[in-house]
Amino acid sequence: DAKTTQPPSMDCAEGRAANLPCNHSTISGNEYVYWYRQIHSQGPQYIIHGLKNNETNEMASLIITEDRKSSTLILPHATLRDTAVYYCIAHSGGSNYKLTFGKGTLLTVNP
Amino acid sequence: GAVVSQHPSWVICKSGTSVKIECRSLDFQATTMFWYRQFPKQSLMLMATSNEGSKATYEQGVEKDKFLINHASLTLSTLTVTSAHPEDSSFYICSARDAAGSYEQYFGPGTRLTVT
Repeated sequence: DAKTTQPPSMDCAEGRAANLPCNHSTISGNEYVYWYRQIHSQGPQYIIHGLKNNETNEMASLIITEDRKSSTLILPHATLRDTAVYYCIAHSGGSNYKLTFGKGTLLTVNP
Repeated sequence: GAVVSQHPSWVICKSGTSVKIECRSLDFQATTMFWYRQFPKQSLMLMATSNEGSKATYEQGVEKDKFLINHASLTLSTLTVTSAHPEDSSFYICSARDAAGSYEQYFGPGTRLTVT
C-alpha cells in the first residue's frame, strides 16, 4: 500500500466546508484512495473512494489531483456530528487485501 | 447498505476469565472477517483475518492462543479473549468483507472490553 500522510488535526466552523488533505505521493496506478471516518467510540464508517476522477456522494466529495499524488476530502457543510477521525487509505483492494489504518486527521467541528 | 453487528457492545469481566465477542454480517455473506483492537487515542490495529471454514491468520505479535477466532458460518465470526488481563482492556472492532463482487469492508460498531 502507498503511504499516506495526513495532518493530525483540523478545525472547522459548523456550516462551513471542511477540506481534509491527504498526500500519497507513492501511489501506484492500480491503487484507489479510500476515506473512512471514526466517530468517537464507534466503528469506522466508509465515506468515499476514487481512482482518478473526482467523486461525489451524499456524504462528501473527493478531489484527486491529476498526478494522483494527493487528494482532498470535502464535507460541504460540516455539522457537529462530523467531528471524527478521518482516515485516508490507498490500496488496490481485491480478495486478499487487509485494510490497515494510519493515524488519520481529527476533525473538530466547532459551533 | 451492508450492516455488521457486534455483541455485546460492552462487557466488564474479571481478570482470568474468558470473554466471547460475536460479529455478524446481517444482510450479506462474508467469507472473510477481520478483527481489530484499538487502545485509547490510538488507531485501529489489525489483529487477525478470519476466513470461513479455515483457521484465522494472526498479525505479528498477536497471541493466537489468547485470542481465539472462530468463523464457522458466512455470517458469524467470534473472538474469544481467554484468561483476560487488565491490559486486554480495549475497544474491539470487527469488519466483514462482502464476498459478492466489490470486496468492500464493512465495520461493526465495536465492543468495549474492560477487565478488572
